[in-house]
Amino acid sequence: GESVGLHLPTLSVQEGDNSIINCAYSNSASDYFIWYKQESGKGPQFIIDIRSNMDKRQGQRVTVLLNKTVKHLSLQIAATQPGDSAVYFCAENGSGGGADGLTFGKGTHLIIQP
Amino acid sequence: NAGVTQTPKFRILKIGQSMTLQCTQDMNHNYMYWYRQDPGMGLKLIYYSVGAGITDKGEVPNGYNVSRSTTEDFPLRLELAAPSQTSVYFCASTDDRGLDTEAFFGQGTRLTVV
Repeated sequence: GESVGLHLPTLSVQEGDNSIINCAYSNSASDYFIWYKQESGKGPQFIIDIRSNMDKRQGQRVTVLLNKTVKHLSLQIAATQPGDSAVYFCAENGSGGGADGLTFGKGTHLIIQP
Repeated sequence: NAGVTQTPKFRILKIGQSMTLQCTQDMNHNYMYWYRQDPGMGLKLIYYSVGAGITDKGEVPNGYNVSRSTTEDFPLRLELAAPSQTSVYFCASTDDRGLDTEAFFGQGTRLTVV
């Protein structure tokens, strides 16, 4: 079946630096992508989403970039803070809609060094 | 608003025992989901529901059952617990845009089957 994967399981960055978390997807029919943040012992929390008719979307300190040509998604976090330490998941709606189409990647653990 | 509430937070079961994981949401969402998250992995969909009285299987439904008698509640039932069901279980809900929009997750139930 289709899958979503992340390039690195762990990413360590210095506090104040920018973080870039990458994600590759394989389903060319995917038209909606989401980034979730999961802190230890908590449920996933929505960060930002992007639809396939866009290639960039910005939020507060976060930017998602979508490259449909190479099926690549990235999450950029500006001026990383200790509170950004978490596991970040990308997810894609491979079936094009509906309740059963969301596929999650395995996650990248972002570690912030002081 | 409380959002999505799951109980219990932790549970240890013996092989062959049964239990019900409770999930309730106060956002009047029609769509609800149950996921499991194994260590170091992303979330896998167990069952979902698009409204009261309607449920459907996700990616990994074997060994589980659900019911949806009200909009607010979506309990997950394990009839004969097996060690393979040791996992963290997350309930989530979305509005009627389904998974083309942000999902709200509960805090999770950590289940160990011994």
